[in-house]
Amino acid sequence: DTAVSQTPKYLVTQMGNDKSIKCEQNLGHDTMYWYKQDSKKFLKIMFSYNNKELIINETVPNRFSPKSPDKAHLNLHINSLELGDSAVYFCASSQDSGGFADTQYFGPGTRLTVL
Amino acid sequence: DQQVKQNSPSLSVQEGRISILNCDYTNSMFDYFLWYKKYPAEGPTFLISISSIKDKNEDGRFTVFLNKSAKHLSLHIVPSQPGDSAVYFCAARVYNTDKLIFGTGTRLQVFP
Repeated sequence: DTAVSQTPKYLVTQMGNDKSIKCEQNLGHDTMYWYKQDSKKFLKIMFSYNNKELIINETVPNRFSPKSPDKAHLNLHINSLELGDSAVYFCASSQDSGGFADTQYFGPGTRLTVL
Repeated sequence: DQQVKQNSPSLSVQEGRISILNCDYTNSMFDYFLWYKKYPAEGPTFLISISSIKDKNEDGRFTVFLNKSAKHLSLHIVPSQPGDSAVYFCAARVYNTDKLIFGTGTRLQVFP
Protein backbone atom coordinates (compact mmCIF):
# COMPACT_ATOMS: atom_id res chain seq x y z
CA ASP A 1 0.00 0.00 0.00
CA THR A 2 2.30 2.68 -1.37
CA ALA A 3 1.57 6.17 -0.01
CA VAL A 4 2.59 8.17 -3.09
CA SER A 5 2.88 6.28 -6.34
CA GLN A 6 4.00 7.36 -9.79
CA THR A 7 3.71 5.74 -13.17
CA PRO A 8 5.70 5.01 -15.15
CA LYS A 9 8.96 4.55 -13.26
CA TYR A 10 10.99 4.92 -16.45
CA LEU A 11 10.05 6.76 -19.62
CA VAL A 12 12.19 6.88 -22.74
CA THR A 13 10.89 8.88 -25.66
CA GLN A 14 11.86 10.89 -28.70
CA MET A 15 12.16 14.65 -28.93
CA GLY A 16 8.94 16.30 -29.96
CA ASN A 17 6.65 13.68 -28.43
CA ASP A 18 3.96 14.36 -25.82
CA LYS A 19 3.98 12.30 -22.63
CA SER A 20 2.22 12.12 -19.28
CA ILE A 21 3.33 11.03 -15.83
CA LYS A 22 0.69 10.03 -13.33
CA CYS A 23 0.75 10.47 -9.57
CA GLU A 24 -1.61 9.19 -6.91
CA GLN A 25 -1.54 9.52 -3.14
CA ASN A 26 -3.64 7.48 -0.72
CA LEU A 27 -2.78 9.54 2.36
CA GLY A 28 -5.81 11.81 2.18
CA HIS A 29 -3.56 14.85 1.80
CA ASP A 30 -4.80 18.18 0.49
CA THR A 31 -1.68 19.33 -1.33
CA MET A 32 0.31 17.69 -4.11
CA TYR A 33 3.51 18.76 -5.83
CA TRP A 34 5.72 18.09 -8.81
CA TYR A 35 9.50 18.41 -8.49
CA LYS A 36 12.24 18.06 -11.09
CA GLN A 37 15.70 16.74 -10.27
CA ASP A 38 18.10 17.53 -13.07
CA SER A 39 21.49 16.05 -13.93
CA LYS A 40 23.20 18.32 -11.40
CA LYS A 41 20.96 16.86 -8.70
CA PHE A 42 19.07 20.09 -8.08
CA LEU A 43 15.62 19.19 -6.77
CA LYS A 44 13.32 22.05 -7.74
CA ILE A 45 9.63 22.54 -7.24
CA MET A 46 7.58 22.99 -10.39
CA PHE A 47 3.95 23.08 -9.25
CA SER A 48 1.73 22.55 -6.26
CA TYR A 49 -2.01 22.00 -6.06
CA ASN A 50 -4.22 22.31 -3.02
CA ASN A 51 -7.62 20.65 -3.35
CA LYS A 52 -7.35 20.77 -7.13
CA GLU A 53 -6.37 24.46 -7.15
CA LEU A 54 -3.01 25.58 -8.53
CA ILE A 55 -1.01 27.25 -5.75
CA ILE A 56 2.63 27.25 -6.82
CA ASN A 57 3.63 27.66 -10.44
CA GLU A 58 7.34 28.21 -10.85
CA THR A 59 8.94 29.49 -14.03
CA VAL A 60 8.31 26.31 -15.95
CA PRO A 61 7.80 26.28 -19.75
CA ASN A 62 4.13 26.16 -20.64
CA ARG A 63 4.81 22.86 -22.39
CA PHE A 64 4.38 21.45 -18.88
CA SER A 65 0.78 21.28 -17.76
CA PRO A 66 -0.30 19.74 -14.46
CA LYS A 67 -3.79 18.34 -14.17
CA SER A 68 -5.56 17.43 -10.96
CA PRO A 69 -8.78 15.49 -11.56
CA ASP A 70 -9.28 15.10 -7.81
CA LYS A 71 -7.23 15.80 -4.72
CA ALA A 72 -5.69 12.31 -4.74
CA HIS A 73 -4.23 12.67 -8.23
CA LEU A 74 -1.86 15.11 -9.88
CA ASN A 75 -0.72 14.25 -13.37
CA LEU A 76 1.98 15.99 -15.36
CA HIS A 77 1.62 16.33 -19.10
CA ILE A 78 4.57 17.47 -21.19
CA ASN A 79 4.18 18.60 -24.78
CA SER A 80 6.88 18.74 -27.45
CA LEU A 81 9.53 17.09 -25.32
CA GLU A 82 13.06 18.52 -25.49
CA LEU A 83 16.44 17.04 -24.59
CA GLY A 84 16.64 19.34 -21.57
CA ASP A 85 13.50 17.78 -20.13
CA SER A 86 15.48 14.65 -19.30
CA ALA A 87 15.42 14.40 -15.52
CA VAL A 88 13.87 12.55 -12.63
CA TYR A 89 10.41 13.88 -11.78
CA PHE A 90 9.11 13.44 -8.25
CA CYS A 91 5.57 13.78 -7.08
CA ALA A 92 4.91 14.62 -3.42
CA SER A 93 1.98 15.31 -1.12
CA SER A 94 1.39 16.92 2.25
CA GLN A 95 -1.46 17.63 4.64
CA ASP A 96 -2.26 21.27 5.16
CA SER A 97 -2.00 21.77 8.92
CA GLY A 98 -2.25 25.54 8.84
CA GLY A 99 1.16 27.17 8.85
CA PHE A 100 3.42 24.45 10.18
CA ALA A 101 6.14 22.83 8.07
CA ASP A 102 3.97 20.03 6.78
CA THR A 103 5.98 16.96 5.95
CA GLN A 104 6.05 16.27 2.25
CA TYR A 105 5.89 12.63 1.26
CA PHE A 106 7.60 11.82 -2.02
CA GLY A 107 6.90 9.23 -4.65
CA PRO A 108 9.69 7.02 -6.02
CA GLY A 109 10.31 9.24 -9.04
CA THR A 110 9.96 8.88 -12.81
CA ARG A 111 13.17 8.92 -14.80
CA LEU A 112 12.43 10.61 -18.12
CA THR A 113 14.97 10.27 -20.93
CA VAL A 114 14.46 12.26 -24.10
CA LEU A 115 16.45 11.05 -27.09
CA ASP B 1 21.11 31.62 -7.62
CA GLN B 2 21.36 28.78 -5.17
CA GLN B 3 19.74 29.80 -1.92
CA VAL B 4 20.45 26.55 -0.08
CA LYS B 5 23.92 25.09 -0.36
CA GLN B 6 25.47 21.84 0.69
CA ASN B 7 29.11 22.32 -0.09
CA SER B 8 30.25 18.78 0.69
CA PRO B 9 29.07 16.38 -2.00
CA SER B 10 30.17 13.37 0.02
CA LEU B 11 31.14 12.26 3.51
CA SER B 12 32.58 8.98 4.74
CA VAL B 13 32.29 8.00 8.40
CA GLN B 14 33.09 4.90 10.39
CA GLU B 15 30.22 3.04 12.02
CA GLY B 16 29.63 4.21 15.58
CA ARG B 17 31.18 7.63 15.03
CA ILE B 18 29.37 10.92 14.56
CA SER B 19 28.29 12.12 11.11
CA ILE B 20 27.96 15.87 10.64
CA LEU B 21 26.27 17.17 7.53
CA ASN B 22 26.30 20.89 6.84
CA CYS B 23 24.02 23.30 5.04
CA ASP B 24 24.19 27.04 4.40
CA TYR B 25 21.47 29.36 3.21
CA THR B 26 21.41 32.88 1.90
CA ASN B 27 17.80 33.96 2.27
CA SER B 28 16.34 35.15 5.56
CA MET B 29 12.77 34.49 4.41
CA PHE B 30 12.78 30.87 5.50
CA ASP B 31 10.72 29.77 8.49
CA TYR B 32 11.51 26.07 8.66
CA PHE B 33 14.48 23.94 7.75
CA LEU B 34 14.21 20.25 6.99
CA TRP B 35 16.43 17.30 6.32
CA TYR B 36 15.45 14.56 3.90
CA LYS B 37 17.16 11.25 3.31
CA LYS B 38 17.21 9.54 -0.06
CA TYR B 39 18.13 5.99 -1.04
CA PRO B 40 18.85 5.11 -4.68
CA ALA B 41 15.77 4.67 -6.86
CA GLU B 42 13.50 6.00 -4.11
CA GLY B 43 12.02 9.37 -3.34
CA PRO B 44 13.33 11.54 -0.50
CA THR B 45 11.93 10.74 2.95
CA PHE B 46 11.52 13.27 5.73
CA LEU B 47 13.98 12.95 8.58
CA ILE B 48 13.81 15.93 10.92
CA SER B 49 12.93 19.63 10.86
CA ILE B 50 13.57 22.75 12.89
CA SER B 51 11.69 26.01 13.19
CA SER B 52 13.65 29.19 12.55
CA ILE B 53 12.84 30.33 16.08
CA LYS B 54 14.73 27.41 17.59
CA ASP B 55 18.38 26.47 17.59
CA LYS B 56 18.19 22.74 18.22
CA ASN B 57 15.87 19.84 17.62
CA GLU B 58 16.59 16.26 18.55
CA ASP B 59 14.97 13.00 17.50
CA GLY B 60 16.72 9.85 18.61
CA ARG B 61 20.11 9.61 16.92
CA PHE B 62 19.42 12.71 14.83
CA THR B 63 19.94 16.29 15.97
CA VAL B 64 19.65 19.41 13.87
CA PHE B 65 21.36 22.64 14.94
CA LEU B 66 20.48 26.03 13.53
CA ASN B 67 22.78 29.06 13.71
CA LYS B 68 20.72 31.94 12.33
CA SER B 69 23.44 34.56 12.57
CA ALA B 70 25.69 32.39 10.40
CA LYS B 71 22.79 31.18 8.23
CA HIS B 72 24.01 27.68 8.84
CA LEU B 73 22.46 24.42 9.92
CA SER B 74 23.87 21.01 10.53
CA LEU B 75 22.58 17.50 11.01
CA HIS B 76 24.34 15.28 13.54
CA ILE B 77 23.88 11.53 13.44
CA VAL B 78 25.27 9.65 16.39
CA PRO B 79 26.09 6.85 16.46
CA SER B 80 26.25 6.40 12.69
CA GLN B 81 25.06 3.09 11.31
CA PRO B 82 25.61 1.45 7.89
CA GLY B 83 21.88 1.85 7.18
CA ASP B 84 22.36 5.61 7.37
CA SER B 85 24.30 5.47 4.10
CA ALA B 86 22.23 7.60 1.73
CA VAL B 87 22.05 11.06 0.19
CA TYR B 88 20.93 13.74 2.64
CA PHE B 89 19.16 16.83 1.38
CA CYS B 90 18.81 20.02 3.33
CA ALA B 91 15.68 22.03 2.53
CA ALA B 92 14.33 25.40 3.57
CA ARG B 93 10.70 26.44 3.54
CA VAL B 94 9.83 29.85 2.17
CA TYR B 95 8.03 31.74 4.92
CA ASN B 96 4.40 30.71 5.33
CA THR B 97 4.21 28.78 2.05
CA ASP B 98 4.51 25.15 0.97
CA LYS B 99 7.55 25.93 -1.17
CA LEU B 100 10.72 24.05 -0.26
CA ILE B 101 14.13 25.03 -1.60
CA PHE B 102 16.50 22.07 -1.64
CA GLY B 103 20.26 21.83 -1.50
CA THR B 104 22.09 19.50 -3.88
CA GLY B 105 22.62 16.80 -1.28
CA THR B 106 25.50 15.14 0.53
CA ARG B 107 26.18 11.48 0.01
CA LEU B 108 26.95 9.84 3.36
CA GLN B 109 28.71 6.52 3.48
CA VAL B 110 29.00 4.73 6.80
CA PHE B 111 31.55 1.94 6.71
CA PRO B 112 32.03 -0.86 9.27
